[in-house]
Amino acid sequence: DVKVTQSSRYLVKRTGEKVFLECVQDMDHENMFWYRQDPGLGLRLIYFSYDVKMKEKGDIPEGYSVSREKKERFSLILESASTNQTSMYLCASSLLGSSAGGIDTQYFGPGTRLTVL
Amino acid sequence: GQNIDQPTEMTATEGAIVQINCTYQTSGFNGLFWYQQHAGEAPTFLSYNVLDGLEEKGRFSSFLSRSKGYSYLLLKELQMKDSASYLCAVRDGDYKLSFGAGTTVTVRA
Repeated sequence: DVKVTQSSRYLVKRTGEKVFLECVQDMDHENMFWYRQDPGLGLRLIYFSYDVKMKEKGDIPEGYSVSREKKERFSLILESASTNQTSMYLCASSLLGSSAGGIDTQYFGPGTRLTVL
Repeated sequence: GQNIDQPTEMTATEGAIVQINCTYQTSGFNGLFWYQQHAGEAPTFLSYNVLDGLEEKGRFSSFLSRSKGYSYLLLKELQMKDSASYLCAVRDGDYKLSFGAGTTVTVRA
């Protein structure tokens, strides 16, 4: 079974703090994704990575950055946390892009509920 | 931009059938996914359609019409454990998924 783990289930930070959210997958997947999930808005893609050291902006990258130094680990960084970044953050991974054939479904971690005060 | 619409909430009785509709307008199309998400848990994959027609998987079926930009997820013989949010997502390239806001299904005894 694919396992995607996130470093914290709950996190409380103060406005202006630098925040690191860590995600690790154990199935040698090429692609990793960071989403935020808010009521009424669904999951929105922040950033994704299709290879080590590669990153692509998603739909809402402002105020975030990412790092992928190793294949299994994808970090989301809030450079200066703000109250509007209070949300549920979900990490996901998939084996290969769809061009390689197959469904290539995304597997999700349990989420980190971040509160910024 | 991407536009994916699904109803916010649905309620049904145990043993009944519920159909969750999803309409989409996206810049490209490379498959449609349905995920189930129980409260406080990660979304888990339910079904995938890339060609028109019906895909059946036990009590769950999913239908796609690409010309109409329409899909539905059919849940049969509802059980209490089916109470969850159901997320419709469209892949428009190799990697990216765009999600609808989700449909919360409540199953009543």
